[in-house]
Amino acid sequence: AQSVTQLGSHVSVSEGALVLLRCNYSSSVPPYLFWYVQYPNQGLQLLLKYTTGATLVKGINGFEAEFKKSETSFHLTKPSAHMSDAAEYFCAVSAGGRRDNDMRFGAGTRLTVKP
Amino acid sequence: KAGVTQTPRYLIKTRGQQVTLSCSPISGHRSVSWYQQTPGQGLQFLFEYFSETQRNKGNFPGRFSGRQFSNSRSEMNVSTLELGDSALYLCASSPTPDRGRQKTQYFGPGTRLLVL
Repeated sequence: AQSVTQLGSHVSVSEGALVLLRCNYSSSVPPYLFWYVQYPNQGLQLLLKYTTGATLVKGINGFEAEFKKSETSFHLTKPSAHMSDAAEYFCAVSAGGRRDNDMRFGAGTRLTVKP
Repeated sequence: KAGVTQTPRYLIKTRGQQVTLSCSPISGHRSVSWYQQTPGQGLQFLFEYFSETQRNKGNFPGRFSGRQFSNSRSEMNVSTLELGDSALYLCASSPTPDRGRQKTQYFGPGTRLLVL
């Protein structure tokens, strides 16, 4: 079974500062990993995903994440925070390649960006 | 392509009533999943449908049910509503989940259900 742990339910950064949102996963099979963002009163929007291949994945809005198998991590980063990045971020894992897989989400990290 | 659409966006019901929520997936997507999102429990998987068949089910009571139609549109039904069913219900669609392919899910805006 797969699971995800997001470290820190709330993260606050200043505008222009580095954003680092932590995600650790557990999976008995090679995982597929995802980051989603949710703005108030909206659904989830896919930021980026890792399936196979290059471990550094670039997504939309300047975000990227690196898959580190040895650390079972998939942390999300952005070099310079913008006010519009304030939202809730969810890390998710699914069992790649299985027909009956379902996606497991972390508890979410709420990002606040201070001016 | 149009995204995933969900109707209605907001709904108020009273305890004991039942409710039906609708989801239209992205054109060409045949897999539809449903999630419940609450502040206390976060995002929880309800069920997944593919080709009108339930493929996977989360840990929810039988009051929660769903179905999928031949055009891939899906509905979920909650009977005998309880206060704790108040939540944002999210629908997500994905392409045909063949073996070996990733299962990226694309979410709709959700239906916010309030049970009084």
